[in-house]
Amino acid sequence: EAGVVQSPRYKIIEKKQPVAFWCNPISGHNTLYWYLQNLGQGPELLIRYENEEAVDDSQLPKDRFSAERLKGVDSTLKIQPAELGDSAVYLCASSLGTPGTQYFGPGTRLLVL
Amino acid sequence: AQKITQTQPGMFVQEKEAVTLDCTYDTSDPSYGLFWYKQPSSGEMIFLIYQGSYDQQNATEGRYSLNFQKARKSANLVISASQLGDSAMYFCAMREGLPRNTGKLIFGQGTTLQVKP
Repeated sequence: EAGVVQSPRYKIIEKKQPVAFWCNPISGHNTLYWYLQNLGQGPELLIRYENEEAVDDSQLPKDRFSAERLKGVDSTLKIQPAELGDSAVYLCASSLGTPGTQYFGPGTRLLVL
Repeated sequence: AQKITQTQPGMFVQEKEAVTLDCTYDTSDPSYGLFWYKQPSSGEMIFLIYQGSYDQQNATEGRYSLNFQKARKSANLVISASQLGDSAMYFCAMREGLPRNTGKLIFGQGTTLQVKP
């Protein structure tokens, strides 16, 4: 069974540029999460989807971050414009429902110059 | 406030020996879940083991076991017979349970484990 797929694995951009990350969850997993992991810290939740509905986006900085999961399967996280402080690893996870164990993808390492 | 504390920034263990990684948590929720994840240098978070707050027995998964002491609010990970491939960052996490039931994972700061040959 394929795991959570994320792309790109690495991204280097200049500040003020837009950037997008893509995630394809494990087949059949209806719950999808985006986490932000700063260097040397544990991940922090940005947004949670149940199918195509964003049920918890309270930690998403909505002035520059947006996310979508249009058909309830894969998801895109966007930053526009990127700032230096956005340099981090963006992790996607999926689970079978909210109580299910979350399985993570390999993450996207973003460097903003 | 819900919180996970991992007090060991770094640990060393000799190959083939056992090691315990500490984790304490703080919550007022009656129901919650506790997880351990491994993050090698490649970056992927790998699920290791899960313990439910109402589980009577400590969870075990192969060489991993979770020493759950509910009264002390601790959920230490024990790795037996350490292998070189166990060298990685280890995160303890708590999932919000009832009544919020958000599924949100709250992570600790992590412990870096180095296995010596």
